[in-house]
Amino acid sequence: GQNIDQPTEMTATEGAIVQINCTYQTSGFNGLFWYQQHAGEAPTFLSYNVLDGLEEKGRFSSFLSRSKGYSYLLLKELQMKDSASYLCAVRPTDSWGKLQFGAGTQVVVTP
Amino acid sequence: DGGITQSPKYLFRKEGQNVTLSCEQNLNHDAMYWYRQDPGQGLRLIYYSQIVNDFQKGDIAEGYSVSREKKESFPLTVTSAQKNPTAFYLCATKPSGQGGDEQFFGPGTRLTVL
Repeated sequence: GQNIDQPTEMTATEGAIVQINCTYQTSGFNGLFWYQQHAGEAPTFLSYNVLDGLEEKGRFSSFLSRSKGYSYLLLKELQMKDSASYLCAVRPTDSWGKLQFGAGTQVVVTP
Repeated sequence: DGGITQSPKYLFRKEGQNVTLSCEQNLNHDAMYWYRQDPGQGLRLIYYSQIVNDFQKGDIAEGYSVSREKKESFPLTVTSAQKNPTAFYLCATKPSGQGGDEQFFGPGTRLTVL
């Protein structure tokens, strides 16, 4: 099975940087996804890592270390609209696309 | 418009009644998934389907049933056997079973059982 851990909540100031960590334990690994979810809405895709290293997409970057079972999502130049829950999800091998989700990290951006 | 439709957004039912949640997509995706989300918890997989007329149980299938008679549709029935059905239900799709594509989510249905 999978065990995916991420912090429950983080608070940061508008314009600042926040790093959301995700650790996972898995018997097989075939990719890690980050999603953003605003309250009461559907999750939206942010990033996908399957190889070690950093993937950058505008203000958002995601890092993966498979040997450490560790990923982080970096949010730069925070905006008020970035206040949301950020979900880390792991796809096991031979899973037919199924994802195992962490509980999510609620990011609160303050003025 | 291409996308995933879940209706209604809010649904209320009395305890002991079965209820069916709809999920329709026109993305031509093969794979479809149903998740349940409770406050403070991550998404948990209920059922998934890789192809028409085939579906598999996820991690919390007890008390739920599905069908996949058409590629576009993957309805979820919450039966009276589900002990705690009040939750936010999300449907997702993906182009194909294996592979690196992300899942796309519908807007969700919030079910409240009174």
